[in-house]
Amino acid sequence: EDQVTQSPEALRLQEGESSSLNCSYTVSGLRGLFWYRQDPGKGPEFLFTLYSAGEEKEKERLKATLTKKESFLHITAPKPEDSATYLCAVHNFNKFYFGSGTKLNVKP
Amino acid sequence: DGGITQSPKYLFRKEGQNVTLSCEQNLNHDAMYWYRQDPGQGLRLIYYSQIVNDFQKGDIAEGYSVSREKKESFPLTVTSAQKNPTAFYLCASSITSTNTGELFFGEGSRLTVL
Repeated sequence: EDQVTQSPEALRLQEGESSSLNCSYTVSGLRGLFWYRQDPGKGPEFLFTLYSAGEEKEKERLKATLTKKESFLHITAPKPEDSATYLCAVHNFNKFYFGSGTKLNVKP
Repeated sequence: DGGITQSPKYLFRKEGQNVTLSCEQNLNHDAMYWYRQDPGQGLRLIYYSQIVNDFQKGDIAEGYSVSREKKESFPLTVTSAQKNPTAFYLCASSITSTNTGELFFGEGSRLTVL
């Protein structure tokens, strides 16, 4: 079954405490893996696209990596403003499969 | 600035009523989508449209209807046949449905059944 699984469901960090979010997928025919940030009551905001295993993308404190069956979103020295839900999506031909997200809470 | 505009942001529906959510984009994208988001679940596809005057059912189309009369507009009607409509609804667009680029999302509409 084609699906995307994100872990953990929720993550609480102290400011400056680095960690990683996981996105594993069983979707065949990967054409792209996407990371989004979603604030409460808002639409998802695009962060990164990864297309092939070994690819990495960085933006400020965030770094996304991709292997054959999973992706990681590494957060280095997070700040309270990084608190949000992070969504992972896999594009397969003309369909997007979404994970249920990881809710990140960064305490000052 | 280009983007996707959804309205209204909040909507309340009584039992037996149909309601329509608006979605307008000025990105010149061919493909548009409607997703439903419930707590603890991934986004689920309701309907999508690859081109004007054409649309296809997604995974949870029952109780919903759409139209695509203009490239810029893709309204969603939640009908009285939808038994559990309380949710957060997201409209999205992409350059084409087969393009490997990202989806662009609107700010969402929250529908509550009274």
